[in-house]
Amino acid sequence: GENVEQHPSTLSVQEGDSAVIKCTYSDSASNYFPWYKQELGKGPQLIIDIRSNVGEKKDQRIAVTLNKTAKHFSLHITETQPEDSAVYFCAALSGGTSYGKLTFGQGTILTVHP
Amino acid sequence: EAGVVQSPRYKIIEKKQPVAFWCNPISGHNTLYWYLQNLGQGPELLIRYENEEAVDDSQLPKDRFSAERLKGVDSTLKIQPAELGDSAVYLCASSTRQVSYNEQFFGPGTRLTVL
Repeated sequence: GENVEQHPSTLSVQEGDSAVIKCTYSDSASNYFPWYKQELGKGPQLIIDIRSNVGEKKDQRIAVTLNKTAKHFSLHITETQPEDSAVYFCAALSGGTSYGKLTFGQGTILTVHP
Repeated sequence: EAGVVQSPRYKIIEKKQPVAFWCNPISGHNTLYWYLQNLGQGPELLIRYENEEAVDDSQLPKDRFSAERLKGVDSTLKIQPAELGDSAVYLCASSTRQVSYNEQFFGPGTRLTVL
């Protein structure tokens, strides 16, 4: 089955700095890679995603890049703000787009200091 | 649009007792998922329903866990009997095939503590 590794497990930055979280996956057939943000006491919320036929996607301060050859993808957050502090999870979808299974990384605790 | 609703939000029980969690998905979402999230870990799929049919329950410990989704809407996840290692957050999510790649919407979860 699919295996997703996520690094780092914790990340501390100053407000205004950039943050980068990296993930690798094992199943070359995985074709969809979402990123979720989870705040304390809440369920994960999708913040950005990327499909296997795209190398990069940007949405305001967040961007995701995908390297299919190396089987890794990354989340980039620029101009970080204290409200960006949360746990971030990457995931990979394997087994097809309609009936595939999401495998999550272990999560990264991001802390943005004012 | 209302999100995924779960109840209870918190549950504390003694080991060997039964426990049940309830999930109401987003209206019109035919796919429903139950995930287990251990402390400091990402969610792990327990079971997925397409309407009322369980299409992937390979990760569900069937000796003590059971689930149902009557009428293809609400779902209940049950543990009987609970063990200490079952302490975790149980997340419910839903999606619709009308949106490509099945974006999953998560509920707030039920935090279970087994004493």
